[in-house]
Amino acid sequence: RKEVEQDPGPFNVPEGATVAFNCTYSNSASQSFFWYRQDCRKEPKLLMSVYSSGNEDGRFTAQLNRASQYISLLIRDSKLSDSATYLCVVNGLTGGFKTIFGAGTRLFVKA
Amino acid sequence: ETGVTQSPTHLIKTRGQQVTLRCSSQSGHNTVSWYQQALGQGPQFIFQYYREEENGRGNFPPRFSGLQFPNYSSELNVNALELDDSALYLCASSWEQGRGNYEQYFGPGTRLTVT
Repeated sequence: RKEVEQDPGPFNVPEGATVAFNCTYSNSASQSFFWYRQDCRKEPKLLMSVYSSGNEDGRFTAQLNRASQYISLLIRDSKLSDSATYLCVVNGLTGGFKTIFGAGTRLFVKA
Repeated sequence: ETGVTQSPTHLIKTRGQQVTLRCSSQSGHNTVSWYQQALGQGPQFIFQYYREEENGRGNFPPRFSGLQFPNYSSELNVNALELDDSALYLCASSWEQGRGNYEQYFGPGTRLTVT
């Protein structure tokens, strides 16, 4: 089992749609969680941190469920510019600091 | 832009050679992490440097080594290059207190090709 697993993609959605990504992690001692987006042949860019209380940034909402060990990202009113790969990231301190990226979920938003 | 810079942008090396990649962290950041990203995959954590010491390491062999300097810039060294080392190498900086809870900001990467 991978330490961080994401929904397999790609997701193809029309503009204006709502799309949700899920990500599960295996290490219950994980400490911090993030979503990044990565455009083709570019570096990952931080989208948002993820907290148990949930956090929202405009059209984007992230949620952490520690009991079930998953994080989610909801994108409302999708735009063409949202087309990218979305990566979930889990940080932990077991045996030294470690960051684990999911393999990413590719999103295509169509006009 | 994040303010994290990497050099060189691209590099072609021959199998068996050694390579050094460089990273300058964002102003105010004290921690640098290095990642390897193969095509179609997520970044794989190589190691992190905090206050000039290795603070954590992923599943990479010892021929992957690094340094962090007093100004918090960093180098990644790879010895005895193999074809599978061909990838995008990313560095990310953050401000840490040794607990690894903070957001990381990435540089544009160095694309290494090993022939």
